[in-house]
Amino acid sequence: EVQLQESGPGLVKPSQSLSLTCSVTGYSITSNYWGWIRKFPGNKMEWMGYISYSGSTSYNPSLKSRISITRDTSKNQFFLQLNSVTTEDTATYYCARGYTTDYYYADYFDYWGQGVMVTVSS
Amino acid sequence: DIQMTQSPSLLSASVGDRVTLSCKASQSIYNSLAWYQQKLGEAPKLLIYDANSLQTGIPSRFSGSGSGTDYTLTISSLQPEDVATYFCQKYYSGYTFGAGTKLELK
Repeated sequence: EVQLQESGPGLVKPSQSLSLTCSVTGYSITSNYWGWIRKFPGNKMEWMGYISYSGSTSYNPSLKSRISITRDTSKNQFFLQLNSVTTEDTATYYCARGYTTDYYYADYFDYWGQGVMVTVSS
Repeated sequence: DIQMTQSPSLLSASVGDRVTLSCKASQSIYNSLAWYQQKLGEAPKLLIYDANSLQTGIPSRFSGSGSGTDYTLTISSLQPEDVATYFCQKYYSGYTFGAGTKLELK
């Protein structure tokens, strides 16, 4: 069974970087796509970006200057770094598997982690 | 950018009711639509993909339909465990989620 688990600090100061880890079991991250999605207070959900089976990345244009997604295939983990955070980055962050049928891009997200709540506050 | 609009934002229904949730795209998304269920404190769960394909393990009372810009999630007979927020998500030309429909029991 595919399982994902997010980990990382629950509190980040403004202007600092947010760093999260997604640990995947039951499936290799060298297949399909592996993404980060966040849910803001008030329920709005936003796709942030993903890293592909080959290590290529795609990011939401609204975050492109601040976001980086990397991976460690030896540990079957992938990572999110979001720089220069503000209070508007306060959200629950989810990692998820992006299913693909053609390996050109991800389609829907079929397995999700439980999410980690991150608050940006001084 | 293609916008996704869900309606209603809140829906109250009784056990056994047939429930219909709507998701409209600002332009055609060619059936590249998924529906998710999220219960309080849990991860989102994929219900429907490609607008009308039922994800493995999801009860058959859930179904999806639609084409072009207009899509619908139907629960044929509402069960107490279906209380949740439902999101649609398009994956044509990027990824955008709707604002969600909160489904509660009347």
